[in-house]
Amino acid sequence: DAGITQSPRHKVTETGTPVTLRCHQTENHRYMYWYRQDPGHGLRLIHYSYGVKDTDKGEVSDGYSVSRSKTEDFLLTLESATSSQTSVYFCAISGRAGRSYGYTFGSGTRLTVV
Amino acid sequence: GQQLNQSPQSMFIQEGEDVSMNCTSSSIFNTWLWYKQDPGEGPVLLIALYKAGELTSNGRLTAQFGITRKDSFLNISASIPSDVGIYFCAGQLTEKLVFGKGTKLTVNP
Repeated sequence: DAGITQSPRHKVTETGTPVTLRCHQTENHRYMYWYRQDPGHGLRLIHYSYGVKDTDKGEVSDGYSVSRSKTEDFLLTLESATSSQTSVYFCAISGRAGRSYGYTFGSGTRLTVV
Repeated sequence: GQQLNQSPQSMFIQEGEDVSMNCTSSSIFNTWLWYKQDPGEGPVLLIALYKAGELTSNGRLTAQFGITRKDSFLNISASIPSDVGIYFCAGQLTEKLVFGKGTKLTVNP
């Protein structure tokens, strides 16, 4: 495998509760990303990180926060989960910007908010 | 923001047939990438293209980076059942990729 692990793989949570998803990499890559995938929408960027403690918003960042205290870990937190955040969440890593070899994706976390 | 138009949205083909899908954009990109996603897994990189006009093959897959830098296509020849999945195009200009919405491929044996 490419050295990227997401946990948990599946989670069911109640509306209004906080949820944290974890992405762990062993590639020492600089860039890390969180996407959500929904039918009809493809992959949409939530947040990304370009280094330890350096993060920025993506196109669907409302209701989500991230933290990166170590190169290898990128956490996504749903501050107060809503049913609209039921989705499959993917983490991705990349070693370079510009001319790159694209992202390597994790296997995803399927989150259901009831 | 930047958007990619990927077509078709879905395809139903017979085993052995060739497949073609494409992506267009109103923006230019420096890199075009094609990914495949199997059910329950994350997307996996198939082909990366770095130069306008570039034509690259990977086994039965062939992809091209459009001359205008605003489009790319992916061809799959002689499809087999394991080609089933969702294919995504992606364009890159900075550290962020822009993804198409995917083409869902079904191959009937």
